[in-house]
Amino acid sequence: DAGVIQSPRHEVTEMGQEVTLRCKPISGHDYLFWYRQTMMRGLELLIYFNNNVPIDDSGMPEDRFSAKMPNASFSTLKIQPSEPRDSAVYFCASSRTGGSYNEQFFGPGTRLTVL
Amino acid sequence: GEDVEQSLFLSVREGDSSVINCTYTDSSSTYLYWYKQEPGAGLQLLTYIFSNMDMKQDQRLTVLLNKKDKHLSLRIADTQTGDSAIYFCAESIGNNRLAFGKGNQVVVIP
Repeated sequence: DAGVIQSPRHEVTEMGQEVTLRCKPISGHDYLFWYRQTMMRGLELLIYFNNNVPIDDSGMPEDRFSAKMPNASFSTLKIQPSEPRDSAVYFCASSRTGGSYNEQFFGPGTRLTVL
Repeated sequence: GEDVEQSLFLSVREGDSSVINCTYTDSSSTYLYWYKQEPGAGLQLLTYIFSNMDMKQDQRLTVLLNKKDKHLSLRIADTQTGDSAIYFCAESIGNNRLAFGKGNQVVVIP
């Protein structure tokens, strides 16, 4: 299996622009998580899905952030408009119900820089 | 809410042992984990311990769990340069979710 795939790996954009991050979870996994990592706040859970349905989006910072999962093999995290304080590494992770010890498998992350 | 606390930085000489500590809050967690993040990469599960265990040994890794104090530690024996990374403690909090600590950067000095 290819593991969790994220694209792009790096994104540099200007303040006010729309940013879309993409994730392909591991086939057969029914949970998908979006995290944000910064030096100040560590690893924060933004939102997670189960069977393509958003379960908890309480970690989404504000209305500028939105996430979708149109099918079991694809999810997007969108920031519109982007701001410099959104600069961070964004990780997608997936897991499956009944999987061994609830392990989450992480993608390589997208490093976002907003100028 | 769930809160996992870790110290931030540790430097260790190659060949020495390193110990990373963590405290957690959810006493009902079924599993506790140590994840490793190498530079420029995502987190990868290093080891885990079931909540009814006190200790788990896995080659150079020893995990100790003190449920009374909600304290988890990871000992790496014979630390090698490839062990330089950020180590995250995490606890299971239901619905396949994990609560992560802020991470502890380990730097191995040759």
